[in-house]
Amino acid sequence: GQQVMQIPQYQHVQEGEDFTTYCNSSTTLSNIQWYKQRPGGHPVFLIQLVKSGEVKKQKRLTFQFGEAKKNSSLHITATQTTDVGTYFCAGPGRGSTLGRLYFGRGTQLTVWP
Amino acid sequence: DAGVIQSPRHEVTEMGQEVTLRCKPISGHNSLFWYRQTMMRGLELLIYFNNNVPIDDSGMPEDRFSAKMPNASFSTLKIQPSEPRDSAVYFCASKRRGTQYFGPGTRLLVL
Repeated sequence: GQQVMQIPQYQHVQEGEDFTTYCNSSTTLSNIQWYKQRPGGHPVFLIQLVKSGEVKKQKRLTFQFGEAKKNSSLHITATQTTDVGTYFCAGPGRGSTLGRLYFGRGTQLTVWP
Repeated sequence: DAGVIQSPRHEVTEMGQEVTLRCKPISGHNSLFWYRQTMMRGLELLIYFNNNVPIDDSGMPEDRFSAKMPNASFSTLKIQPSEPRDSAVYFCASKRRGTQYFGPGTRLLVL
């Protein structure tokens, strides 16, 4: 079945260092979404990318959607302790599963002050 | 907007007991999802509804799990009988324009 894979599973950085998480889908995606879950919290929608090669920025966060629409990345510049959490990518299903999202396992980011 | 509401927020029960989790989606959202999150398995989709109709329940682990959505503003996930391996965080989410909005979750511990 359709799968979304994320690497790395864990990342520990010193505050001020950059961070990147990568997402790969087994199928071409119509769009890709990113969510953030703070420790003890629930996933919260960050952004959606739709176009091939699209790049979007939210302050220190840069999101990219691959040209083939099968991969994506999230890059955080100069991490801060407020960036701590797990970052998930998610892609919609196709055909009979169009209504659901397939979530990656997430990348858990720890930022040391 | 109140967001997705889930109750209870925490539940501790003994093996064999029935557990009922409740969810109120955001008004106007026509899709509702139940997820389970554990360290071992990550975020798993259990079942989702479109316009109160179950669409895909292939993620429901076994017959001990059942879910209902009697109307557009309420859904339940029931576990009967509960087992220690059911301990997890259960999230409900509703969807608008492809984006899912998660509730705060129910942290279930089965002893």
